[in-house]
Amino acid sequence: GAVVSQHPSRVICKSGTSVKIECRSLDFQATTMFWYRQFPKQSLMLMATSNEGSKATYEQGVEKDKFLINHASLTLSTLTVTSAHPEDSSFYICSARTGYSYEQYFGPGTRLTVT
Amino acid sequence: GEDVEQSLFLSVREGDSSVINCTYTDSSSTYLYWYKQEPGAGLQLLTYIFSNMDMKQDQRLTVLLNKKDKHLSLRIADTQTGDSAIYFCAESIGSNDYKLSFGAGTTVTVRA
Repeated sequence: GAVVSQHPSRVICKSGTSVKIECRSLDFQATTMFWYRQFPKQSLMLMATSNEGSKATYEQGVEKDKFLINHASLTLSTLTVTSAHPEDSSFYICSARTGYSYEQYFGPGTRLTVT
Repeated sequence: GEDVEQSLFLSVREGDSSVINCTYTDSSSTYLYWYKQEPGAGLQLLTYIFSNMDMKQDQRLTVLLNKKDKHLSLRIADTQTGDSAIYFCAESIGSNDYKLSFGAGTTVTVRA
């Protein structure tokens, strides 16, 4: 149990376009989902925390208008990278937790390349 | 990420013990975690330790916590080839037990 999926696993887009990444909890209801960004050989950087039905809380330095997060249901959160630029190229990872456990379950990540 | 530090690489012979070290900065962290990431896969929680504990053992895994020095270690006994992966140390941030701060990850390579 406790499986989190992400879609797509890889995406290449042109500079200036927008890209949507989905994060789904497959067998549990996720009251909270987290979005992370990971650069090569670096740690996961928390971008934002989203609770179902409410606005996401962004970490300092993360642009809200650039990284749009929607957590419309207990099993789905989306991250939209708007007007993507090459510097947005990265590995984006989501995680989810239920309201009953401290544990976060991680998705496999999405590799975004902006050309 | 800069609040949690760990060495980037570790090479160990199959059958030997692996020790991965980590230092953290937030003294109010309630939980400290070790995650494993295999190629193309998500992070898998290996084990965790409460901040009021000194040691936790779970089968081949032993976690040691020195709260005074803010030092955490993970020992893997009888390391196998399947243990080759990236290992991340993470601390819960402040009074919020659910937000995590990760280290850069230690790539463990097990050689025959």
